[in-house]
Amino acid sequence: SQKIEQNSEALNIQEGKTATLTCNYTNYSPAYLQWYRQDPGRGPVFLLLIRENEKEKRKERLKVTFDTTLKQSLFHITASQPADSATYLCALDAGGYQKVTFGTGTKLQVIP
Amino acid sequence: GAGVSQSPRYKVTKRGQDVALRCDPISGHVSLYWYRQALGQGPEFLTYFNYEAQQDKSGLPNDRFSAERPEGSISTLTIQRTEQRDSAMYRCASSAGGGGQPQHFGDGTRLSIL
Repeated sequence: SQKIEQNSEALNIQEGKTATLTCNYTNYSPAYLQWYRQDPGRGPVFLLLIRENEKEKRKERLKVTFDTTLKQSLFHITASQPADSATYLCALDAGGYQKVTFGTGTKLQVIP
Repeated sequence: GAGVSQSPRYKVTKRGQDVALRCDPISGHVSLYWYRQALGQGPEFLTYFNYEAQQDKSGLPNDRFSAERPEGSISTLTIQRTEQRDSAMYRCASSAGGGGQPQHFGDGTRLSIL
């Protein structure tokens, strides 16, 4: 069956360091992989999308990589700030008009 | 409105009652999704629509759950004969449709079954 795995344990890092979050999947061939941020009590907010034929995508302090051989995406936040503290979700998009499946999320805490 | 709107924000009802949750997507968005989210978990897929057509309802837990989007805009998720295990945050999202489109989420409806 299809499975999406994100670090279930919270990730604590020092302000200014780079945070790296992992999304692994099995039995899935996504055309796109999306990353979202979710703050407590709010709905997820879209951050970045990467296509299956792209290796890397950047947006300001964010970087996403996508390795379809390893079936893994890495999400990096450089020069992390306390305001980056949130839960980060990856989502697999099969493309076309098909459903999007979310991972369980990783909680990031940036310590001042 | 500018974003996805869900109502009510909170719903408390007694076991056995029927509830209807409403989602008003971003204007013009083709696709509409319903999710259920437990605390500390990611959104769990329930069902989704393209226009008025329900494309996939494989995530609906049982036949007490149903959803409709009759005019391809507003959608209603209905839970009949509610049970305590139905208590959760129910979230709606919409997108422009097709692959690679970001989903825009509402703030959800917190459902509590007494």
